[in-house]
Amino acid sequence: DAMVIQNPRYQVTQFGKPVTLSCSQTLNHNVMYWYQQKSSQAPKLLFHYYDKDFNNEADTPDNFQSRRPNTSFCFLDIRSPGLGDAAMYLCATSSDPSRVNYGYTFGSGTRLTVV
Amino acid sequence: SQQGEEDPQALSIQEGENATMNCSYKTSINNLQWYRQNSGRGLVHLILIRSNEREKHSGRLRVTLDTSKKSSSLLITASRAADTASYFCATDEGTYKYIFGTGTRLKVLA
Repeated sequence: DAMVIQNPRYQVTQFGKPVTLSCSQTLNHNVMYWYQQKSSQAPKLLFHYYDKDFNNEADTPDNFQSRRPNTSFCFLDIRSPGLGDAAMYLCATSSDPSRVNYGYTFGSGTRLTVV
Repeated sequence: SQQGEEDPQALSIQEGENATMNCSYKTSINNLQWYRQNSGRGLVHLILIRSNEREKHSGRLRVTLDTSKKSSSLLITASRAADTASYFCATDEGTYKYIFGTGTRLKVLA
């Protein structure tokens, strides 16, 4: 089945130690998004890629970076995780917006714990 | 930025009752979407309504959109325990970027 897969499901990292979260998709969607969701809050958009074009949100900290080496994969890098970065990180995809009828397809998320 | 706010924040109903959630947003939109999120999981797309549509149905779901009031509602009829989840509206800011509302936590009691 076509889907969005996030690895790992749970990630524990040390304060200040770089960590990378991964997302892959078999949908061949143009757009990939990274959202951060803290407990009982709305998902907050960090950035998105439209094909290879990177679009950063104005309030996304510099500590967060992203890479999209090809259509299928997208990575979220946190250069120096702080305790406040503990959250669920959600990857989503969507097809060309001119054909949007289905909304986003989300992965199951990676829950990041910082110790 | 946060585009939408949902009301109520939490809702508890008995199985078989209807559940209504409301979403208000601030700026003009092209589309509005509703998503469901089970605890600790990703979001699942439920329905998309375009700005020129007023009502849409999908199974037990009914979504309305009032662009003059900048509001939308999600009605779940004949609720089931499996409907227990958080529900979020999402509105577009630009062609392919969606911002999520604050969410409604729905609990359906068996």
